[in-house]
Amino acid sequence: GDSVTQTEGLVTLTKGLPVMLNCTYQTTYSPFLFWYVQHLNEAPKLLLKSSTDNKRTEHQGFYATLHKSSSSFHLQKSSVQLSDSALYFCALSDMGYKLTFGTGTSLLVDP
Amino acid sequence: ETAVFQTPNYHVTQVGNEVSFNCKQTLGHDTMYWYKQDSKKLLKIMFSYNNKQLIVNETVPRRFSPQSSDKAHLNLRIKSVEPEDSAVYLCASSPTGLANSDYTFGSGTRLLVI
Repeated sequence: GDSVTQTEGLVTLTKGLPVMLNCTYQTTYSPFLFWYVQHLNEAPKLLLKSSTDNKRTEHQGFYATLHKSSSSFHLQKSSVQLSDSALYFCALSDMGYKLTFGTGTSLLVDP
Repeated sequence: ETAVFQTPNYHVTQVGNEVSFNCKQTLGHDTMYWYKQDSKKLLKIMFSYNNKQLIVNETVPRRFSPQSSDKAHLNLRIKSVEPEDSAVYLCASSPTGLANSDYTFGSGTRLLVI
């Protein structure tokens, strides 16, 4: 079956520094990859998505590139802000009707 | 306001009781979902419905039963709750069930079983 791996459970950074959150996946089919962000006590919200190989997709200062050769979809931002502190989920859909989520990475930004 | 609405926000109950959670979306979406988010924040699909029809039924104990009266409503009943059912239950919807669909989540129902 499908699986999504996020290797970092917690990432702590100082405001203004760059960040990369790792995401790799396994699937038999051609997938759509998503990043969802969940702030404390809130609902997860879509951050960005892609299905196009080697094309960078951007939203709200975050960006990610789907690399099918390495089955990766890492999330990056060049300068993190305090408001970026949240739980970030990578997710995959291939056949539809469900999203398979990774275990999530907590990002904590210090002043 | 268009969104996914869940009730109740929070529910405390004893082992063996029956509970029901409600979910309504006003986005006009065709597909709705129930996800369970456990204490480690893992998100796992439980059920998905498309226009009132059950599409996905993951390995979920039989005490869990979803109910959909129309495409805007998807409720969840747990017949006899157990301690491991303590979690946040998130309802979501998407325009279609296609793989590229964006999900909109509700704020969740937090269940505590004592």
